[in-house]
Amino acid sequence: DGGITQSPKYLFRKEGQNVTLSCEQNLNHDAMYWYRQDPGQGLRLIYYSQIVNDFQKGDIAEGYSVSREKKESFPLTVTSAQKNPTAFYLCASSIFSSGSNSNQPQHFGDGTRLSIL
Amino acid sequence: QKEVEQNSGPLSVPEGAIASLNCTYSDRVSQSFFWYRQYSGKSPELIMSIYSNGDKEDGRFTAQLNKASQYVSLLIRDSQPSDSATYLCAVGDSWGKFQFGAGTQVVVTP
Repeated sequence: DGGITQSPKYLFRKEGQNVTLSCEQNLNHDAMYWYRQDPGQGLRLIYYSQIVNDFQKGDIAEGYSVSREKKESFPLTVTSAQKNPTAFYLCASSIFSSGSNSNQPQHFGDGTRLSIL
Repeated sequence: QKEVEQNSGPLSVPEGAIASLNCTYSDRVSQSFFWYRQYSGKSPELIMSIYSNGDKEDGRFTAQLNKASQYVSLLIRDSQPSDSATYLCAVGDSWGKFQFGAGTQVVVTP
C-alpha cells in the first residue's frame, strides 16, 4: 500500500544529543513537510522541500536540520540546540505543481513522539 | 503573520444533530482550504478540500467557503460518536505551504 512511514514511533533524547526522525513515502510525491504539534495547539511548520536536494525553512526551523537526497526520504534531525524538543512530530507529503495557485492536500504519517530523558 | 483562527471548543453535539465548525483566515490571497480530522494521539486525516466559493458536499460533510469574508466552515450532519475528534482547518498559500488552525474539539454525546 502507498503511504508515509515515520519511525520510530517513540523517541527519547538525552541532554546534548542529536536525534534523527525518519520519514519515507512511496506515493511519488514531490513535496514533503515536517511539522511539530504541541498539546492543544495546531501544527507548526519546521521545514519543507518541494524538490530533491532543495528545502526551505518553515516558521520554527531553529534547532532542526533536514536533508532531501532522495525523493522518497526527508529525515529530520533535532539538534542539541533545540532546548524544548518534547512534541509530536508529523511528516507529510503532497503532489506539488509549480506555478499553480491551488495546493494539493497534504497526507500525514503516523507521527513520532519525542521526549527528553 | 498569516493566521488561521478556530474556536477551540469543546463543541458538544447531540448524536444525530448537525455540528457546525468555523474557521477564519488572514491571508487574502489564499486559494486552497482543507479540513482535517485528528483523533486523540493520532495524526490528522484529510476530510475535505475546497478551492471555490460556495458549498462542497461529501457524504455527511459539507464545506462552505466565502473568500470575500475570509471564512470557511465545515458542517457534519447526523453526527455520530465516531465523529468525536479535533477538527483542523488548513489554508494553503501560493508557495505550497499550509497554515493550520489550533483545531476545534467536537464531542458527540449519545
